[in-house]
Amino acid sequence: AQKVTQAQTEISVVEKEDVTLDCVYETRDTTYYLFWYKQPPSGELVFLIRRNSFDEQNEISGRYSWNFQKSTSSFNFTITASQVVDSAVYFCALSEPDTGRRALTFGSGTRLQVQP
Amino acid sequence: TAGITQAPTSQILAAGRSMTLRCTQDMRHNAMYWYRQDLGLGLRLIHYSNTAGTTGKGEVPDGYSVSRANTDDFPLTLASAVPSQTSVYFCASSAQGLSEQYFGPGTRLTVT
Repeated sequence: AQKVTQAQTEISVVEKEDVTLDCVYETRDTTYYLFWYKQPPSGELVFLIRRNSFDEQNEISGRYSWNFQKSTSSFNFTITASQVVDSAVYFCALSEPDTGRRALTFGSGTRLQVQP
Repeated sequence: TAGITQAPTSQILAAGRSMTLRCTQDMRHNAMYWYRQDLGLGLRLIHYSNTAGTTGKGEVPDGYSVSRANTDDFPLTLASAVPSQTSVYFCASSAQGLSEQYFGPGTRLTVT
């Protein structure tokens, strides 16, 4: 069975600090996709990134960066120079095998509080 | 563009009553999904539909039913609500399997 673990329930940092959110996954599939979503206090879910299992290059988008390491089954998310607007719950998710369901398995989320 | 709309925004429902949560997307996506979000548990899949006319069960389907008569609409029905169905319900869609999913704003349901 697939599983996504986000061991950090809640993280609190001060503005301008860097912060890394951990994500560890389990799957038997050789082909899969990993995702990160942001859920701000307003409640909507915002797509941040999709990464396929064959692409281990790190990705950077502005202050956001993602480190995918297949050897350790991890897909960590780093926010550089955090801002108050980054305060949200962040979810890591894993695609299911292409057997029909094609849905996402989500981790339980990490709540990030950025203090001014 | 609207993307995905859900109705109602919130609802208080007496146990034993039935209710349909509505979901409509305007992106012509083939696949649609219903998830529930509970504190500490992330999002769990209730039902899904890969294309109009087909549906399937997710991780927690008991007590819920869905239909997919057309591409745009994917209603979720609770036939006889129970307090454990108190949750926030999210509808999502994706262009095809394994693509990123886009989520609606959610429906907060309280069953008393």
